[in-house]
Amino acid sequence: NAGVTQTPKFRVLKTGQSMTLLCAQDMNHEYMYWYRQDPGMGLRLIHYSVGEGTTAKGEVPDGYNVSRLKKQNFLLGLESAAPSQTSVYFCASRRLAGGQEQYFGPGTRLTVT
Amino acid sequence: LAKTTQPISMDSYEGQEVNITCSHNNIATNDYITWYQQFPSQGPRFIIQGYKTKVTNEVASLFIPADRKSSTLSLPRVSLSDTAVYYCLVGDRGGNTGKLIFGQGTTLQVKP
Repeated sequence: NAGVTQTPKFRVLKTGQSMTLLCAQDMNHEYMYWYRQDPGMGLRLIHYSVGEGTTAKGEVPDGYNVSRLKKQNFLLGLESAAPSQTSVYFCASRRLAGGQEQYFGPGTRLTVT
Repeated sequence: LAKTTQPISMDSYEGQEVNITCSHNNIATNDYITWYQQFPSQGPRFIIQGYKTKVTNEVASLFIPADRKSSTLSLPRVSLSDTAVYYCLVGDRGGNTGKLIFGQGTTLQVKP
C-alpha cells in the first residue's frame, strides 16, 4: 500500500495563476482532509470530506475549492493564487470508524511569487 | 469543537521521561483525545488516542483524569530522535462531523 500520496511535491506559481493539488489514498478511507502549514505554525484545516461527493469547509477555506469525485481522491484547487497561500499543504485520510487516527501524505510545498 | 491549549515548547535531556499536558476544558461527552508527532518537513504521525483513564502503547502513555478537561502525554526515556512537535487533538470518535482541528502544538527539544 502506498498510503496517502500527494502530487506535486513542489510548485512555484505566479500571483493569479491557478493549480490543482491531488491527494490519493489506497486505504479505502471515508474521510479526507486538506491542511496548510505556514513556517513555524501548526496545521490549519482548509476543507475536508466525509465521503465521496461531499465536501465541507474547515478553518481557512477562502481562496480554495475542493472536489471528491472518487472516494480515493481529494483535489484542492487554487483559482487565483496569492502570496499569502505560500505554504506546505498536507493531505490526510482516516477511516469512518475506529478513532481519529489520520494518515498524512508527505506534503506539497507551494510558493506563490 | 473543543479548543486545546498546550505549552509552546519544552526542553528535556536524553533518558528522561517527558510529560506534555494539554488542556481541553470544553471537551464533549463523545470526544476522544488524540496525540500526533511531527518532524520537520513531514506530515504528522499518530501516536496515541484515549477516552478516559490511561492508555499505553509501545511508544507512549496517555493519562486522562476523571473530568477529562486535560490529558498528559508521557514519553518514557526520550532520545534525540524524539525532538519534534507534539499536537493534541480533541474530536468525535464516531466522526459524525469529521472535522479535526490542530492546535499550535508543543515543540519538544531533547538535548544530549
